[in-house]
Amino acid sequence: EAEVAQSPRYKITEKSQAVAFWCDPISGHATLYWYRQILGQGPELLVQFQDESVVDDSQLPKDRFSAERLKGVDSTLKIQPAELGDSAMYLCASSFGGGTLQETQYFGPGTRLLVL
Amino acid sequence: KQEVTQIPAALSVPEGENLVLNCSFTDSAIYNLQWFRQDPGKGLTSLLLIQSSQREQTSGRLNASLDKSSGRSTLYIAASQPGDSATYLCAVRGWRDDKIIFGKGTRLHILP
Repeated sequence: EAEVAQSPRYKITEKSQAVAFWCDPISGHATLYWYRQILGQGPELLVQFQDESVVDDSQLPKDRFSAERLKGVDSTLKIQPAELGDSAMYLCASSFGGGTLQETQYFGPGTRLLVL
Repeated sequence: KQEVTQIPAALSVPEGENLVLNCSFTDSAIYNLQWFRQDPGKGLTSLLLIQSSQREQTSGRLNASLDKSSGRSTLYIAASQPGDSATYLCAVRGWRDDKIIFGKGTRLHILP
């Protein structure tokens, strides 16, 4: 069964350093989402792509976070510089995005970030 | 602004019991509602998606209902098993802003 791939699974970094997360969605899925999940909370959307275009980045802290999906397939989320409050699970999800909004999101295993 | 609430925050029940998890949302203008399962330290697994025009969906021992007008959904788990222990999250997709909003989840523990 096709899955959403994410790497690394775990990342420990010091504050002020740069970190990057990678996501490879299910083949053929046009819509890709990055979420942040703080322990004990539900996921919060950071950015949503439709193919290579950003359709929603209203919750992305743009002073330190950036995301790209250059060829409309895999995606990278970057934080520079990392802050203590960025410690969380970063989840990537994808969906078919065939024009209907009645569709299931499929999630990757996540990257757990710890900022020291 | 859409708010999604899940009650209770945590639940422990003996194995074999049937149980109900609740999800409520403040804005009934939704495209769909989705229930997910999350094991500790892992990603989310989709369980059921209910479209706004539907009232329920079933998959095996799981049944999810949707009452859009009252802003409520329930996830019914029949004959619970220890393997059902996980956090269950609901998420709604609104059509006013096309945003997906998650609840904080219910941590379920099935006692052997």
